[in-house]
Amino acid sequence: NAGVTQTPKFQVLKTGQSMTLQCAQDMNHEYMSWYRQDPGMGLRLIHYSVGAGITDQGEVPNGYNVSRSTTEDFPLRLLSAAPSQTSVYFCASSLTQGQPQHFGDGTRLSIL
Amino acid sequence: QQQVKQSPQSLIVQKGGISIINCAYENTAFDYFPWYQQFPGKGPALLIAIRPDVSEKKEGRFTISFNKSAKQFSLHIMDSQPGDSATYFCAASLRQGAQKLVFGQGTRLTINP
Repeated sequence: NAGVTQTPKFQVLKTGQSMTLQCAQDMNHEYMSWYRQDPGMGLRLIHYSVGAGITDQGEVPNGYNVSRSTTEDFPLRLLSAAPSQTSVYFCASSLTQGQPQHFGDGTRLSIL
Repeated sequence: QQQVKQSPQSLIVQKGGISIINCAYENTAFDYFPWYQQFPGKGPALLIAIRPDVSEKKEGRFTISFNKSAKQFSLHIMDSQPGDSATYFCAASLRQGAQKLVFGQGTRLTINP
């Protein structure tokens, strides 16, 4: 049982480049979320989805896009990377509302 | 705006001692309060959670104490072990929005052998 799988684990980008962080879960969870983790700030919600075809913004959505075409996948897109987006990104999923979230092991992203 | 404030930022405890981490929240509509444990290179993992209808919840060596009137909750780790060394995050959310967690800043806990 793989749980929540994030790829890649590490990535270095140049300012202005675009990329997609992948997140997949094999638990048939309806809810999926993206967080970023920065020192001294805990984790902050970027975007979330309550099911296929439904997404919404979290606390820090600017500079990021998401889509949810299938239950399993929830990719996070950076259209034009900025140094302020250097962070560790975590994807999480939960079966339904009110259920605990399961986190992936993160993608460490550096933008030069 | 930091809706959940966590302290201390770092904590060193001797093996066998009690580790205490505190959190305070602002939104009185929050009604789900989980604690997550994170090891280096890994994602956070749910440790224990509480809802405001109880003042305390215990699971093994881990206990959450909850004070609704003060809008505070804390994690107590009894008989702390070196394997407990990790970063701990408190969080809060609305019960019907449990996917929208608001996290505290985190506490790096070190248990000295």
